[in-house]
Amino acid sequence: DTEVTQTPKHLVMGMTNKKSLKCEQHMGHRAMYWYKQKAKKPPELMFVYSYEKLSINESVPSRFSPECPNSSLLNLHLHALQPEDSALYLCASSQPDRGNNQPQHFGDGTRLSIL
Amino acid sequence: GEDVEQSLFLSVREGDSSVINCTYTDSSSTYLYWYKQEPGAGLQLLTYIFSNMDMKQDQRLTVLLNKKDKHLSLRIADTQTGDSAIYFCAETPSGGYQKVTFGTGTKLQVIP
Repeated sequence: DTEVTQTPKHLVMGMTNKKSLKCEQHMGHRAMYWYKQKAKKPPELMFVYSYEKLSINESVPSRFSPECPNSSLLNLHLHALQPEDSALYLCASSQPDRGNNQPQHFGDGTRLSIL
Repeated sequence: GEDVEQSLFLSVREGDSSVINCTYTDSSSTYLYWYKQEPGAGLQLLTYIFSNMDMKQDQRLTVLLNKKDKHLSLRIADTQTGDSAIYFCAETPSGGYQKVTFGTGTKLQVIP
């Protein structure tokens, strides 16, 4: 079991659909992350929220829209995705306090398939 | 930019020790991590080491850091079939604590 919970575990959607990925953590972490991982590759950072504000956007296309409603929740809204967006989407959280680089804790991911 | 390199594949017999190696280029790295990813799962944090340390042991896991050579290794003692997975090393550069650079990943196969 992980302390970062992601839903749904699997998602199949068409290119014209709108869907959302959800992530929740109750560790009191104030930094949350979205990563994209293709098969046999390391995760690639997409977005970072720190204290509920977007602090890093790694030039992600606008068809991906992140949202951080509160310190425990992180959403990723999807619209008009392309087949190459099919991947495992991972959420992570960490505690960026007091200058310490605390490790990131990951969820089990959402496996996304675009038809 | 930063590069973190690992060998792609390692095969060991059950009960033997496994050593997974990693080299990195950013000399300002502050924390270095080892993550394990089993098929269909997310990344599980195994252990991490601060850059002013040269060794950390945690049960069957031993992490060695050679900062001069920018070389990190993970030794798994008494390797079990449940250790079969992909192992990623990762670094956090100084001042960019939110950006973690992952290595290419090493697939560990444990032969019964």
